[in-house]
Amino acid sequence: GAVVSQHPSRVICKSGTSVKIECRSLDFQATTMFWYRQFPKQSLMLMATSNEGSKATYEQGVEKDKFLINHASLTLSTLTVTSAHPEDSSFYICSARGRRETEAFFGQGTRLTVV
Amino acid sequence: GQNIDQPTEMTATEGAIVQINCTYQTSGFNGLFWYQQHAGEAPTFLSYNVLDGLEEKGRFSSFLSRSKGYSYLLLKELQMKDSASYLCAVMDSNYQLIWGAGTKLIIKP
Repeated sequence: GAVVSQHPSRVICKSGTSVKIECRSLDFQATTMFWYRQFPKQSLMLMATSNEGSKATYEQGVEKDKFLINHASLTLSTLTVTSAHPEDSSFYICSARGRRETEAFFGQGTRLTVV
Repeated sequence: GQNIDQPTEMTATEGAIVQINCTYQTSGFNGLFWYQQHAGEAPTFLSYNVLDGLEEKGRFSSFLSRSKGYSYLLLKELQMKDSASYLCAVMDSNYQLIWGAGTKLIIKP
């Protein structure tokens, strides 16, 4: 299957700082990127959907100004957690889907810990 | 509203067979996915069903009945490494994935 690379896999940051997570599709053009967060023992929660060249569509309850999503190219999307707080500590996962694909391919996930 | 139901947890014995059920109610249907997720890792794709019937792929099989809003994932010859959460997800009419909460499968020797 197609490869999606997510970086970093783990990050620890101080409260109040910002963290950027990158999601790259390595061997296909990702026309749509999805960003999820997952708390322990819970299912994936969709945060936002972004289409290349367009603004991201955020799910209800997700703060646009706190979780900045950029999808400037067909191979790269970034999620920036701004002014991070301990409650933002979670597992963040991206997935990418190409124009001709039904399946969305997942990145490896990023474990964010805010201290 | 949209809803995906699957059991929270199941236990099975190594070498045995287990069936994980998933029922769904969604606005439209463009396929059902099963993913496997080990603790601390991202989900990995197992199967995709869009037509009724059984899809077999090695030790794993997935079944779909669209009229009943029902699917199951069948795992045969269970191995200890199959201990994981199994997520059922339905693609709705907007091509968005609606996720179930996942079934934690515990394999015992």
